[in-house]
Amino acid sequence: KQEVTQIPAALSVPEGENLVLNCSFTDSAIYNLQWFRQDPGKGLTSLLLIQSSQREQTSGRLNASLDKSSGRSTLYIAASQPGDSATYLCAVRYGGSNYKLTFGKGTLLTVNP
Amino acid sequence: DTGVSQDPRHKITKRGQNVTFRCDPISEHNRLYWYRQTLGQGPEFLTYFQNEAQLEKSRLLSDRFSAERPKGSFSTLEIQRTEQGDSAMYLCASSFTANQDTQYFGPGTRLTVL
Repeated sequence: KQEVTQIPAALSVPEGENLVLNCSFTDSAIYNLQWFRQDPGKGLTSLLLIQSSQREQTSGRLNASLDKSSGRSTLYIAASQPGDSATYLCAVRYGGSNYKLTFGKGTLLTVNP
Repeated sequence: DTGVSQDPRHKITKRGQNVTFRCDPISEHNRLYWYRQTLGQGPEFLTYFQNEAQLEKSRLLSDRFSAERPKGSFSTLEIQRTEQGDSAMYLCASSFTANQDTQYFGPGTRLTVL
């Protein structure tokens, strides 16, 4: 079964700290992996997309890495801010003509001022 | 580019009633997806369209659910004879083949079945 797991389920850090969110997937034959942010009661905002041929992507203070052989991705957030508080979701598109995304349950991040 | 829009944003209905949700994708996007998200869970795939063709349906999509995208633009998701277990956030997303198929999500429709 193709599954996505995110650890930890919740994380609380002081403002300014660098942090890492983890995502693991069961099948290494992925097409791409996408990280999303979700604010309470809202839709999803795409943060970064990594193709299967890539090792990492960066956008501002965010850096996402992909290691297909170990079935892992990480989202690194530098110099965290209270505005970063949200749920972060990892989603995998498994290969070929399978266009749907398989999501983890998310990591709820709280950045304390 | 106004983003993906969904209507209504909130819907409260009584058990047994029918409800219909609408999704307007980003204008040039040829693929449209529906997902369902319950509290504390990640979104779960329901169905997707390429242009007007519905190409995949999840086993989660019982026969009470039907989705259409008649002209390859907006889409509707109808739930007949709603049950309390249908209470969830229904999310729509769209993507464009030439843009790595990055999926862009709408704000969702929150359904509460009493």
